[in-house]
Amino acid sequence: AQKVTQAQTEISVVEKEDVTLDCVYETRDTTYYLFWYKQPPSGELVFLIRRNSFDEQNEISGRYSWNFQKSTSSFNFTITASQVVDSAVYFCALSEAAGNEKLTFGTGTRLTIIP
Amino acid sequence: DADVTQTPRNRITKTGKRIMLECSQTKGHDRMYWYRQDPGLGLRLIYYSFDVKDINKGEISDGYSVSRQAQAKFSLSLESAIPNQTALYFCATRSGSYNEQFFGPGTRLTVL
Repeated sequence: AQKVTQAQTEISVVEKEDVTLDCVYETRDTTYYLFWYKQPPSGELVFLIRRNSFDEQNEISGRYSWNFQKSTSSFNFTITASQVVDSAVYFCALSEAAGNEKLTFGTGTRLTIIP
Repeated sequence: DADVTQTPRNRITKTGKRIMLECSQTKGHDRMYWYRQDPGLGLRLIYYSFDVKDINKGEISDGYSVSRQAQAKFSLSLESAIPNQTALYFCATRSGSYNEQFFGPGTRLTVL
């Protein structure tokens, strides 16, 4: 069975600090997909990134970066120079190989950026 | 206009009432999903559909039913609502080529 663990329930940092959100996953498949979603206070779920299990290259998008390490089953998300607009709940999710439609979510990390 | 829309956005109802939540999408995706979100539990899959003729139960389908009226429309029904179905409900779509799902704005349902 697949499982996603986000051990950090809530994090608060002062604006402009860097912050890393942790995600650890479990799966028996060798092919799988990892995702991060953002849920701002308005409630919608915004897709941020998809990473395939066969591509361990880290990715950077502006102030956001993702560190995927298969050896530790982790897919961590770092926000550099945080801003108040980054305040949201962030979900990590896992989907196994094509044909299995189940998208398993972690319980989320609530990030608060203090002005 | 939003690619995935849900109606209503908020609904308060009483125990025992029948409720329908509707989802429409303009993304042209074949796959559609219904999830519920409860505080501290993340999102859990209720039902999903590959196309109009293919509907599948998710992990928490008891007490719910769905209807895929067209490629673009997927409705979730609570035949007899109960208080523990109070939650935030999300519809999502996915193309056949990529695994990411795109979510609607959510429907906040309260069952009294």
